[in-house]
Amino acid sequence: AQKVTQAQTEISVVEKEDVTLDCVYETRDTTYYLFWYKQPPSGELVFLIRRNSFDEQNEISGRYSWNFQKSTSSFNFTITASQVVDSAVYFCALSEAKSGANSKLTFGKGITLSVRP
Amino acid sequence: KAGVTQTPRYLIKTRGQQVTLSCSPISGHRSVSWYQQTPGQGLQFLFEYFSETQRNKGNFPGRFSGRQFSNSRSEMNVSTLELGDSALYLCASSLVPLNRDRVYGYTFGSGTRLTVV
Repeated sequence: AQKVTQAQTEISVVEKEDVTLDCVYETRDTTYYLFWYKQPPSGELVFLIRRNSFDEQNEISGRYSWNFQKSTSSFNFTITASQVVDSAVYFCALSEAKSGANSKLTFGKGITLSVRP
Repeated sequence: KAGVTQTPRYLIKTRGQQVTLSCSPISGHRSVSWYQQTPGQGLQFLFEYFSETQRNKGNFPGRFSGRQFSNSRSEMNVSTLELGDSALYLCASSLVPLNRDRVYGYTFGSGTRLTVV
């Protein structure tokens, strides 16, 4: 069975601080995908990144960066120079890879990030 | 292009009633998934539809059902509502991967917040 653990439940930082959100996953699949989503107060889940299990390259997108380490089954997310607009709940998710069909997303419990001015 | 549209945004129902929620996917997306989000259980997969057929189902009782129409629009129905069904119901649409190396992201709607009283 697949499992995603986000051990941090709430994080509070002051604007311009860097913050790292941790994600640890469990799966028996050899091919799988990892995702990060952001959920602002409006409720919509906003897609941030998708990572294939074969691609362990770290990725940077503006102030966001992701560190995928297969050896430790972790897919951590760092926000550099945080801003108040980054305040939201962040979810890490896992899905197996299928051909010709989608697979369900298994979500972690989410991390509530509060960025204070 | 238009995102995933869910209607209604808010709904209040009485215990024992039934409810139907609607989801219009992004144009061209033929896969539609439904998720339930509650404070206690987090985000849980309900079911996924593709080509008007249920492809995958989560661990929910038979009171939860869905369907997909030929235009890929989807509805989910909950019969004999219970207080515990109060939740944010999220719909996600996606392209269907032709192979395991090409899994696409899921785009979520803003959800329908159902309150059962």
